[in-house]
Amino acid sequence: ETGVTQSPTHLIKTRGQQVTLRCSSQSGHNTVSWYQQALGQGPQFIFQYYREEENGRGNFPPRFSGLQFPNYSSELNVNALELDDSALYLCASSLGGTAGNTIYFGEGSWLTVV
Amino acid sequence: QQQVKQSPQSLIVQKGGIPIINCAYENTAFDYFPWYQQFPGKGPALLIAIRPDVSEKKEGRFTISFNKSAKQFSLHIMDSQPGDSATYFCAAALGGSNYKLTFGKGTLLTVNP
Repeated sequence: ETGVTQSPTHLIKTRGQQVTLRCSSQSGHNTVSWYQQALGQGPQFIFQYYREEENGRGNFPPRFSGLQFPNYSSELNVNALELDDSALYLCASSLGGTAGNTIYFGEGSWLTVV
Repeated sequence: QQQVKQSPQSLIVQKGGIPIINCAYENTAFDYFPWYQQFPGKGPALLIAIRPDVSEKKEGRFTISFNKSAKQFSLHIMDSQPGDSATYFCAAALGGSNYKLTFGKGTLLTVNP
């Protein structure tokens, strides 16, 4: 167990809808990152939040947005869902945003867009 | 642009064998190279990581070999067991406060009894 919990574990949405995924980071961790993992691929970095501020973003369009709350939990919001958004969405937490601090992943939220 | 290339895509070994998974990177600014193990239905879990100032690191049955001049690194699993059957990902990251992992595409390892 990594102490990183994500919800929901599975969901199905229709193209054009909006989705919110949630993540509780490991106790004491102030940094949360989100990754998208398509079937058979490695995870791809979406963005990172450090102390409630966005601290880096990958090559994802603005319809992917996020929030981090004072307790360091986080949300990933995706608007105007497309079929290609179907993937496993992984939340990862760490203490600090510096390379070398162990990143712990949750078990992910499986999103299917139909 | 794929910044971290991983091979092979899949690998089958017998119990006790030594599977080797290779990765090559392009960005010479990368300075942190972790390996993750992922079982079906689970998130990736950190196995072992190395910095470019070290050529080899061992943790239990897992060894990373690092060749800075060739921009390559590899994972060796000694005395492999059926329980090691999983997908393995190499990754690379830049240092500093903006820390993101760039992953390879993964290697599906099967260890036969």
